[in-house]
Amino acid sequence: AQSVTQPDIHITVSEGASLELRCNYSYGATPYLFWYVQSPGQGLQLLLKYFSGDTLVQGIKGFEAEFKRSQSSFNLRKPSVHWSDAAEYFCAVDSGGYNKLIFGAGTRLAVHP
Amino acid sequence: DGGITQSPKYLFRKEGQNVTLSCEQNLNHDAMYWYRQDPGQGLRLIYYSQIVNDFQKGDIAEGYSVSREKKESFPLTVTSAQKNPTAFYLCASSLSGGPHNEQFFGPGTRLTVL
Repeated sequence: AQSVTQPDIHITVSEGASLELRCNYSYGATPYLFWYVQSPGQGLQLLLKYFSGDTLVQGIKGFEAEFKRSQSSFNLRKPSVHWSDAAEYFCAVDSGGYNKLIFGAGTRLAVHP
Repeated sequence: DGGITQSPKYLFRKEGQNVTLSCEQNLNHDAMYWYRQDPGQGLRLIYYSQIVNDFQKGDIAEGYSVSREKKESFPLTVTSAQKNPTAFYLCASSLSGGPHNEQFFGPGTRLTVL
């Protein structure tokens, strides 16, 4: 069965530091991959997505992610974190091509001033 | 402005009662989805609909029911058969059910069973 693992439940970084959030997926074929962000008590907003082609994808708010097939990973990165980036981040995979998303458990990001 | 609205934002229910959560979109999207979110578990798919008058069960459909009589509306009923209904419920929509279509999410409804 398809699955998504986000190994880090909580991460704390200082404002201005770099960030990497990990995501590993389990799927036989090339997956469609997504990163979403959720502010407390709110819905989810799409940060970026990977379908095919260039394995480094750029998203909104200065985020990027790199698809590594050999490692079954799709890690999210940002070179310099802002206090407003504090939120929960979800990695998701569309396993069957029918837009049925499987989500990881999420990583909660805290940003220290 | 186009978007997805969910109402109410907070909902309280007594055990044994059915309750209906509203989801409306004015994005002219064909596909709509209901997710349940519990702490530490991410989002799980309850039901989805790729077109009006058609819907399919997701991974955790037991104790829930939906209807899709209009393109813009996809209400979710939490029945008394749902053993643990307290959760945050998110509705989403996409242009169609294909993989290249971003899912847009509503602000959610927090349901608490008293």
